[in-house]
Formats: sequence, C-alpha cells, structure tokens
Amino acid sequence: SQTIHQWPATLVQPVGSPLSLECTVEGTSNPNLYWYRQAAGRGLQLLFYSVGIGQISSEVPQNLSASRPQDRQFILSSKKLLLSDSGFYLCAWKPGYSNQPQHFGDGTRLSIL
Amino acid sequence: GIQVEQSPPDLILQEGANSTLRCNFSDSVNNLQWFHQNPWGQLINLFYIPSGTKQNGRLSATTVATERYSLLYISSSQTTDSGVYFCAVERGSGNTPLVFGKGTRLSVIA
Repeated sequence: SQTIHQWPATLVQPVGSPLSLECTVEGTSNPNLYWYRQAAGRGLQLLFYSVGIGQISSEVPQNLSASRPQDRQFILSSKKLLLSDSGFYLCAWKPGYSNQPQHFGDGTRLSIL
Repeated sequence: GIQVEQSPPDLILQEGANSTLRCNFSDSVNNLQWFHQNPWGQLINLFYIPSGTKQNGRLSATTVATERYSLLYISSSQTTDSGVYFCAVERGSGNTPLVFGKGTRLSVIA
C-alpha cells in the first residue's frame, strides 16, 4: 500500500533562517505531489504542485520554492524565512494523470520567532 | 478560478444529534473530496464523491454535480466527530490541484 511521510512534525525557526521540509511517498511511481499551507487553523492554500521530476507549478509567488529531485520526493525550501511563513504545511499525493483522491501527510507545524 | 463555499461555518451539536454540511461550487468538477481535520491537524479522507451517494458508517455524502453542490450527513454525532470538515474540488483533467472551501468547524458536546 502507498504511504506518505513528512518531516519534521514540528519546527521552530528564527526569522531569516533557511528552511527545508521533505515529503516522500512510498508504494507508487510517478505520483502527482502537492504542498499546501494552512494558516490560522482554517483554509488550505495550494503552494506548489508537481506532475513529474523537475516539473514544478507555483500557485502563489512568495518567499518559498519547491523542488522534486526524485520521482517520489518533494522538498519545500526557503532561503530566508519571514514571520508570515508560520503555519501548518501539508504534503499530498495522488496517482498521476488520474481522477483519484488526494492523500495527505500528517503535516509540519512551523513557527517563526 | 473555481469557488467553493461551505456552510455553516460553525456548528455546535449535542451528542447524538444529526447534522448536514453543505458545499457549493461554482463550476463543473471532476473530483470532489470531503475531509475531516482532527485536533492534531491530520486531514482524514472521508469521501471521494464527484457524483452520487456514498455511505460509511454514520457518515454519508451526496453530490449533485448538475446542481453544483455536495452534502455531508453526520448521524448520531459523537464527541470524536469534532473538528473541521473540508470540501475540496478539482476542476481539471486529473493533474490539477484541489481547491478547498474554508471549512465547517463542528463541536459535539456531551
């Protein structure tokens, strides 16, 4: 069966520091991968999605970037974190080119001090 | 882009009561999902239901695609049903992301 892993679960970072959040999927190949952010406990906002290695689509221009160096690995990064980057970050996947449901990881709670 | 509206935004129920949550969307969709976000933030898949009716225990969902709405029914509510319920839709051919509503926050009190 397929599983999705996100880490770390919780992260506290100072303003101006770099960020790297990792998401991996097991048990499938060529998945679609997604990064969402949830602020203030409600409403998920899509940040990036990828339909293949090296292919990244960005929904919201901001301080963050994403990369997909391997088929089942999706990384969310920042060179310098802002206070507004605080939130709950969720990775999701679904089988590529399919009308199938998306499945979410357990999320990373990011606090910027 | 497509708009997703959920109602009510907040709901308080006595344990054992039934409820109906609604999701309206502004355009035709290929995918519709209902999620429950628990107090720890986990998003739990409830239903994948672009059309028709499905049931899973005390929960059921109906999507009327031609009229652009979906309903989530919770019967005999329990305190563990508390949390935020999200509706999310995908408009495209299978490679486009989900668009989420703002959610319904449900509190079930004993």
